[in-house]
Amino acid sequence: AQSVTQPDIHITVSEGASLELRCNYSYGATPYLFWYVQSPGQGLQLLLKYFSGDTLVQGIKGFEAEFKRSQSSFNLRKPSVHWSDAAEYFCAVVPGGTASKLTFGTGTRLQVTL
Amino acid sequence: NAGVTQTPKFQVLKTGQSMTLQCAQDMNHNSMYWYRQDPGMGLRLIYYSASEGTTDKGEVPNGYNVSRLNKREFSLRLESAAPSQTSVYFCASRAGTGIYEQYFGPGTRLTVT
Repeated sequence: AQSVTQPDIHITVSEGASLELRCNYSYGATPYLFWYVQSPGQGLQLLLKYFSGDTLVQGIKGFEAEFKRSQSSFNLRKPSVHWSDAAEYFCAVVPGGTASKLTFGTGTRLQVTL
Repeated sequence: NAGVTQTPKFQVLKTGQSMTLQCAQDMNHNSMYWYRQDPGMGLRLIYYSASEGTTDKGEVPNGYNVSRLNKREFSLRLESAAPSQTSVYFCASRAGTGIYEQYFGPGTRLTVT
Protein backbone atom coordinates (compact mmCIF):
# COMPACT_ATOMS: atom_id res chain seq x y z
CA ALA A 1 0.00 0.00 0.00
CA GLN A 2 1.11 3.57 -0.63
CA SER A 3 2.37 5.17 2.56
CA VAL A 4 4.65 7.68 4.22
CA THR A 5 6.74 6.51 7.17
CA GLN A 6 8.52 8.54 9.79
CA PRO A 7 10.24 5.87 11.85
CA ASP A 8 11.20 8.11 14.76
CA ILE A 9 8.34 9.19 17.00
CA HIS A 10 10.50 11.28 19.31
CA ILE A 11 14.07 12.60 19.00
CA THR A 12 16.11 14.56 21.53
CA VAL A 13 19.18 16.55 20.52
CA SER A 14 21.37 19.08 22.28
CA GLU A 15 21.33 22.66 21.14
CA GLY A 16 24.08 23.17 18.57
CA ALA A 17 24.10 19.51 17.52
CA SER A 18 23.18 18.37 14.04
CA LEU A 19 19.79 16.89 13.25
CA GLU A 20 18.44 14.38 10.76
CA LEU A 21 14.79 13.38 10.65
CA ARG A 22 13.90 10.40 8.51
CA CYS A 23 11.09 10.03 6.01
CA ASN A 24 10.45 7.08 3.68
CA TYR A 25 7.68 6.68 1.15
CA SER A 26 6.30 3.82 -0.86
CA TYR A 27 4.90 5.03 -4.16
CA GLY A 28 5.58 3.72 -7.63
CA ALA A 29 6.56 7.00 -9.24
CA THR A 30 8.55 9.86 -7.78
CA PRO A 31 6.09 11.79 -5.68
CA TYR A 32 6.09 15.44 -4.70
CA LEU A 33 7.63 15.69 -1.22
CA PHE A 34 7.20 18.17 1.61
CA TRP A 35 8.31 18.83 5.15
CA TYR A 36 6.08 20.79 7.52
CA VAL A 37 6.76 21.98 11.07
CA GLN A 38 4.18 22.43 13.81
CA SER A 39 5.07 24.42 16.90
CA PRO A 40 2.99 23.70 20.02
CA GLY A 41 -0.57 24.94 19.65
CA GLN A 42 0.06 26.19 16.13
CA GLY A 43 -0.84 25.21 12.59
CA LEU A 44 1.54 23.62 10.13
CA GLN A 45 4.17 25.70 8.36
CA LEU A 46 5.82 24.59 5.12
CA LEU A 47 9.58 24.15 5.57
CA LEU A 48 10.54 22.96 2.09
CA LYS A 49 9.40 20.99 -0.92
CA TYR A 50 10.81 18.80 -3.69
CA PHE A 51 9.24 18.40 -7.10
CA SER A 52 12.13 17.64 -9.44
CA GLY A 53 15.68 18.69 -10.27
CA ASP A 54 18.40 19.14 -7.70
CA THR A 55 17.94 16.46 -5.06
CA LEU A 56 19.17 18.69 -2.23
CA VAL A 57 16.61 21.37 -1.43
CA GLN A 58 16.96 24.29 0.90
CA GLY A 59 14.13 25.52 3.08
CA ILE A 60 13.38 28.11 5.67
CA LYS A 61 14.95 28.34 9.13
CA GLY A 62 18.21 26.75 7.93
CA PHE A 63 16.70 23.36 7.09
CA GLU A 64 17.54 21.25 4.06
CA ALA A 65 16.35 17.89 2.76
CA GLU A 66 17.80 15.37 0.36
CA PHE A 67 15.75 13.22 -1.99
CA LYS A 68 17.25 9.78 -2.56
CA ARG A 69 15.31 7.83 -5.16
CA SER A 70 17.22 4.59 -4.53
CA GLN A 71 16.23 4.63 -0.87
CA SER A 72 12.74 6.16 -1.33
CA SER A 73 13.74 8.70 1.28
CA PHE A 74 13.47 12.42 1.86
CA ASN A 75 15.34 13.12 5.10
CA LEU A 76 15.33 16.52 6.76
CA ARG A 77 18.58 17.94 8.12
CA LYS A 78 19.89 20.92 10.01
CA PRO A 79 23.61 21.41 10.81
CA SER A 80 23.08 23.15 14.17
CA VAL A 81 19.81 22.97 16.07
CA HIS A 82 18.45 25.91 18.07
CA TRP A 83 16.18 25.60 21.09
CA SER A 84 13.40 27.25 19.04
CA ASP A 85 13.44 24.28 16.65
CA ALA A 86 11.65 22.16 19.25
CA ALA A 87 8.41 21.20 17.49
CA GLU A 88 6.74 18.38 15.63
CA TYR A 89 7.85 17.70 12.09
CA PHE A 90 5.72 16.08 9.41
CA CYS A 91 6.77 14.60 6.12
CA ALA A 92 4.06 14.70 3.46
CA VAL A 93 3.68 13.31 -0.03
CA VAL A 94 1.58 13.95 -3.10
CA PRO A 95 1.76 10.77 -5.21
CA GLY A 96 2.06 12.69 -8.45
CA GLY A 97 0.32 12.22 -11.75
CA THR A 98 -3.24 13.47 -11.43
CA ALA A 99 -3.28 13.13 -7.64
CA SER A 100 -3.30 16.29 -5.61
CA LYS A 101 -4.02 15.20 -2.05
CA LEU A 102 -1.33 15.27 0.63
CA THR A 103 -0.65 12.14 2.66
CA PHE A 104 1.11 12.81 5.95
CA GLY A 105 3.48 10.75 8.02
CA THR A 106 2.69 10.36 11.70
CA GLY A 107 5.23 12.99 12.71
CA THR A 108 8.47 13.21 14.70
CA ARG A 109 8.54 15.26 17.88
CA LEU A 110 11.86 17.04 18.37
CA GLN A 111 13.03 17.99 21.82
CA VAL A 112 16.07 20.26 22.19
CA THR A 113 18.09 20.22 25.39
CA LEU A 114 20.18 23.19 26.43
CA ASN B 1 -2.77 38.94 4.13
CA ALA B 2 -4.15 36.82 6.94
CA GLY B 3 -3.69 33.60 4.97
CA VAL B 4 -6.02 30.88 6.29
CA THR B 5 -8.18 31.75 9.28
CA GLN B 6 -10.32 29.42 11.37
CA THR B 7 -13.01 30.03 13.96
CA PRO B 8 -13.46 29.18 16.72
CA LYS B 9 -10.06 28.35 18.25
CA PHE B 10 -11.54 26.19 21.00
CA GLN B 11 -14.93 24.53 21.46
CA VAL B 12 -16.47 22.13 23.94
CA LEU B 13 -19.60 20.23 22.91
CA LYS B 14 -21.81 17.70 24.57
CA THR B 15 -22.54 14.45 22.76
CA GLY B 16 -25.30 14.98 20.22
CA GLN B 17 -24.82 18.72 19.82
CA SER B 18 -24.07 20.22 16.44
CA MET B 19 -21.66 22.90 15.35
CA THR B 20 -19.98 24.39 12.30
CA LEU B 21 -16.28 25.12 12.01
CA GLN B 22 -15.51 28.06 9.77
CA CYS B 23 -12.53 28.50 7.47
CA ALA B 24 -11.61 31.35 5.15
CA GLN B 25 -8.60 32.09 2.96
CA ASP B 26 -7.59 35.34 1.33
CA MET B 27 -4.99 33.95 -1.10
CA ASN B 28 -7.42 33.41 -3.99
CA HIS B 29 -6.74 29.67 -3.79
CA ASN B 30 -8.93 27.24 -5.68
CA SER B 31 -8.72 24.16 -3.44
CA MET B 32 -9.52 23.85 0.24
CA TYR B 33 -9.22 20.97 2.72
CA TRP B 34 -10.33 19.88 6.16
CA TYR B 35 -8.09 17.62 8.28
CA ARG B 36 -8.24 16.21 11.75
CA GLN B 37 -5.14 15.61 13.84
CA ASP B 38 -5.04 12.94 16.53
CA PRO B 39 -2.01 11.88 18.60
CA GLY B 40 0.20 9.40 16.78
CA MET B 41 -1.89 9.49 13.60
CA GLY B 42 -0.63 12.54 11.75
CA LEU B 43 -3.22 14.49 9.80
CA ARG B 44 -6.09 12.71 8.11
CA LEU B 45 -8.18 14.25 5.36
CA ILE B 46 -11.89 14.59 6.13
CA TYR B 47 -13.22 16.41 3.06
CA TYR B 48 -11.85 18.62 0.35
CA SER B 49 -13.02 21.00 -2.32
CA ALA B 50 -10.95 21.00 -5.47
CA SER B 51 -12.68 24.13 -6.73
CA GLU B 52 -15.63 26.33 -5.93
CA GLY B 53 -18.84 24.33 -6.23
CA THR B 54 -17.27 20.89 -5.73
CA THR B 55 -16.65 18.79 -2.62
CA ASP B 56 -15.34 15.26 -2.16
CA LYS B 57 -14.82 12.81 0.66
CA GLY B 58 -11.39 12.20 2.08
CA GLU B 59 -10.10 9.42 4.27
CA VAL B 60 -12.40 9.90 7.32
CA PRO B 61 -15.66 11.63 6.22
CA ASN B 62 -18.18 9.82 8.43
CA GLY B 63 -20.02 12.14 10.82
CA TYR B 64 -19.10 15.31 8.92
CA ASN B 65 -20.51 17.49 6.19
CA VAL B 66 -18.96 20.40 4.34
CA SER B 67 -20.03 23.44 2.38
CA ARG B 68 -17.92 25.43 -0.04
CA LEU B 69 -19.78 28.67 0.45
CA ASN B 70 -17.74 30.61 -2.11
CA LYS B 71 -14.14 30.66 -3.27
CA ARG B 72 -12.92 32.01 0.08
CA GLU B 73 -14.91 29.96 2.58
CA PHE B 74 -15.16 26.26 3.38
CA SER B 75 -17.08 25.14 6.45
CA LEU B 76 -17.16 21.81 8.29
CA ARG B 77 -20.29 20.72 10.12
CA LEU B 78 -20.74 18.13 12.82
CA GLU B 79 -24.44 17.29 12.89
CA SER B 80 -24.41 15.13 16.03
CA ALA B 81 -21.08 15.27 17.81
CA ALA B 82 -19.55 12.13 19.30
CA PRO B 83 -16.62 11.75 21.71
CA SER B 84 -14.65 10.12 18.86
CA GLN B 85 -14.71 13.50 17.13
CA THR B 86 -12.61 15.06 19.86
CA SER B 87 -9.62 16.28 17.88
CA VAL B 88 -7.79 19.26 16.49
CA TYR B 89 -9.20 20.36 13.14
CA PHE B 90 -7.16 22.11 10.50
CA CYS B 91 -8.26 23.85 7.35
CA ALA B 92 -5.83 24.25 4.46
CA SER B 93 -5.82 25.74 1.00
CA ARG B 94 -3.92 25.18 -2.22
CA ALA B 95 -3.57 27.47 -5.21
CA GLY B 96 -4.66 25.00 -7.85
CA THR B 97 -3.59 22.80 -10.72
CA GLY B 98 0.14 22.11 -10.81
CA ILE B 99 0.77 23.65 -7.40
CA TYR B 100 0.77 21.08 -4.64
CA GLU B 101 1.82 22.75 -1.40
CA GLN B 102 -0.94 23.50 1.06
CA TYR B 103 -1.17 26.35 3.56
CA PHE B 104 -2.73 25.70 6.94
CA GLY B 105 -4.84 27.61 9.38
CA PRO B 106 -4.11 27.71 13.13
CA GLY B 107 -6.57 24.97 14.00
CA THR B 108 -9.67 24.44 16.13
CA ARG B 109 -9.39 22.30 19.25
CA LEU B 110 -12.70 20.49 19.75
CA THR B 111 -13.64 18.46 22.80
CA VAL B 112 -16.82 16.38 22.84
CA THR B 113 -17.92 15.19 26.29
